[in-house]
Amino acid sequence: GAVVSQHPSWVICKSGTSVKIECRSLDFQATTMFWYRQFPKQSLMLMATSNEGSKATYEQGVEKDKFLINHASLTLSTLTVTSAHPEDSSFYICSARAIDTDTQYFGPGTRLTVL
Amino acid sequence: QKEVEQNSGPLSVPEGAIASLNCTYSDRGSQSFFWYRQYSGKSPELIMSIYSNGDKEDGRFTAQLNKASQYVSLLIRDSQPSDSATYLCAGKGGTSYGKLTFGQGTILTVHP
Repeated sequence: GAVVSQHPSWVICKSGTSVKIECRSLDFQATTMFWYRQFPKQSLMLMATSNEGSKATYEQGVEKDKFLINHASLTLSTLTVTSAHPEDSSFYICSARAIDTDTQYFGPGTRLTVL
Repeated sequence: QKEVEQNSGPLSVPEGAIASLNCTYSDRGSQSFFWYRQYSGKSPELIMSIYSNGDKEDGRFTAQLNKASQYVSLLIRDSQPSDSATYLCAGKGGTSYGKLTFGQGTILTVHP
């Protein structure tokens, strides 16, 4: 149980384009999903917290207009990187928290490369 | 001071030994703690969660929590080369809507 999927697992795009990443909880309902970014040899950096049906809460320094988050249902959240630039190249990981639990289960991550 | 701090690594142990990973936290309101393992290039996977003072055992893993000392640890018995990874300690604060605060991670290498 507690499986979280992400799609795509990797993506290469040109500078200036937008990329959408999907995060799904496959066997449980997630009231809250989290989006992280991780650069090589660094720890996880929380970007934002999204609750189903409400606006995401962004961490300090994360541009909400650049990283659009939508949590339309209890099993799906999406992160759209708008007008991507090479410095946005990173490993993006989502996690999902089930109802009535503190445990977060992580998706497998999406590796984004912006040329 | 970081909210969650892990013992500096990297940590290297021989196969079959006990690996001890330690973590301290500053938020006394933290109620829940987690240990995740992250292999290079992969996302974190949950190993253990612990909520109450004392020990919690799961197979070769034992998590220990001491809220008075604000200390969490993970012991890995009979360490195997496949345990070589980065171990992340995380705590959930009392008022953070489920947000976890992660330590910087400890790199563990188990050598044959």
